[in-house]
Amino acid sequence: AQKITQTQPGMFVQEKEAVTLDCTYDTSDPSYGLFWYKQPSSGEMIFLIYQGSYDQQNATEGRYSLNFQKARKSANLVISASQLGDSAMYFCAIFVKTSYDKVIFGPGTSLSVIP
Amino acid sequence: GAGVSQSPRYKVTKRGQDVALRCDPISGHVSLYWYRQALGQGPEFLTYFNYEAQQDKSGLPNDRFSAERPEGSISTLTIQRTEQRDSAMYRCASSPTPTGASNSPLHFGNGTRLTVT
Repeated sequence: AQKITQTQPGMFVQEKEAVTLDCTYDTSDPSYGLFWYKQPSSGEMIFLIYQGSYDQQNATEGRYSLNFQKARKSANLVISASQLGDSAMYFCAIFVKTSYDKVIFGPGTSLSVIP
Repeated sequence: GAGVSQSPRYKVTKRGQDVALRCDPISGHVSLYWYRQALGQGPEFLTYFNYEAQQDKSGLPNDRFSAERPEGSISTLTIQRTEQRDSAMYRCASSPTPTGASNSPLHFGNGTRLTVT
């Protein structure tokens, strides 16, 4: 079974600085996908970025990028130039591609951006 | 078009009553998920469907919980004989493709906040 670990329950970052949110995963399947979602205090779940296990390059979407280290089974989210609106919970999630397997979420990291 | 719609937004019920939570996914979406989320925690998988087929129900806590999606569109999560520990946010999510078929992310509804008194 797949598993996601996010070891940082809470993080603080100064506005305009970069921050890295950790995500490690456990799967025995070679073909899988990883998502990151943002959940602000309003409660909505916002999709940020996707990384496939066979993708040759690290995914990037605007100020979001993924530091994907397949051998270490880590997929850390990097947010550059933090903004106050980045304050939220961030969740990493995994699914396996080769079977009808479910999307599993990690426990999340709470990010607070300090002005 | 419209996003994933869940109803009711809030449900307060007394212990022992049955409740039915509804999810209307984005039109044409194949995959439909149910999650439960406690405050400050990640979504906890309950069950999911591809079309009308329930692919995995391993996350349902016990036999008081059931879900259906008879026509491959709207889904209902039913909790029988509710208990206080069932109080949580229940979220539905849908995707245009079966899980694993592509990199399509899940689109989430705003959830139903269930309170069992």
